[in-house]
Amino acid sequence: KNEVEQSPQNLTAQEGEFITINCSYSVGISALHWLQQHPGGGIVSLFMLSSGKKKHGRLIATINIQEKHSSLHITASHPRDSAVYICALASGSARQLTFGSGTQLTVLP
Amino acid sequence: DSGVTQTPKHLITATGQRVTLRCSPRSGDLSVYWYQQSLDQGLQFLIHYYNGEERAKGNILERFSAQQFPDLHSELNLSSLELGDSALYFCASSADGTGLTEAFFGQGTRLTVV
Repeated sequence: KNEVEQSPQNLTAQEGEFITINCSYSVGISALHWLQQHPGGGIVSLFMLSSGKKKHGRLIATINIQEKHSSLHITASHPRDSAVYICALASGSARQLTFGSGTQLTVLP
Repeated sequence: DSGVTQTPKHLITATGQRVTLRCSPRSGDLSVYWYQQSLDQGLQFLIHYYNGEERAKGNILERFSAQQFPDLHSELNLSSLELGDSALYFCASSADGTGLTEAFFGQGTRLTVV
């Protein structure tokens, strides 16, 4: 069983829809990261969470440590939000990141 | 712009060759992590350096090595290259190695072994 599971693997939405991507994990962590990877390949850090909730613009990330679950929400989605969203756990001796398999999001105009 | 610089952006080389990938972390960041992204394995941790010292190794092959220099830039050396080494190689920097500070990623080096 993978340490980190993301769902869904693929998500297609219409512009303006509210989007939720889920991440469940099975190990102890120091923090959880949400990353965005664009088609060109570059990775951008969206959030780092160790508890509670964070908001940045139209993006909201939450984490429930007890349930070992995190969600990334996108409000009023836009075609430019189309990307792969990756959940990553900071754990291990070096707090290196262990990555989920990613969610491919496509937002249609 | 994350502030992390990776060079080169693209690299095409033949099997059996040796290449060096370079990473300059964000100003002030002491930690450098190297990750490999391949189609079949996804993103995987290779190695971590903190302030010049190796701190942890992940799924890094013996043909691969890395170092972090006094100016904190890091190099990942890949030798005896095989077709399966073709991948995107990312470095990420953070202020420390606690996992409680944000990670900033470079744009990656796309390595193609032919």
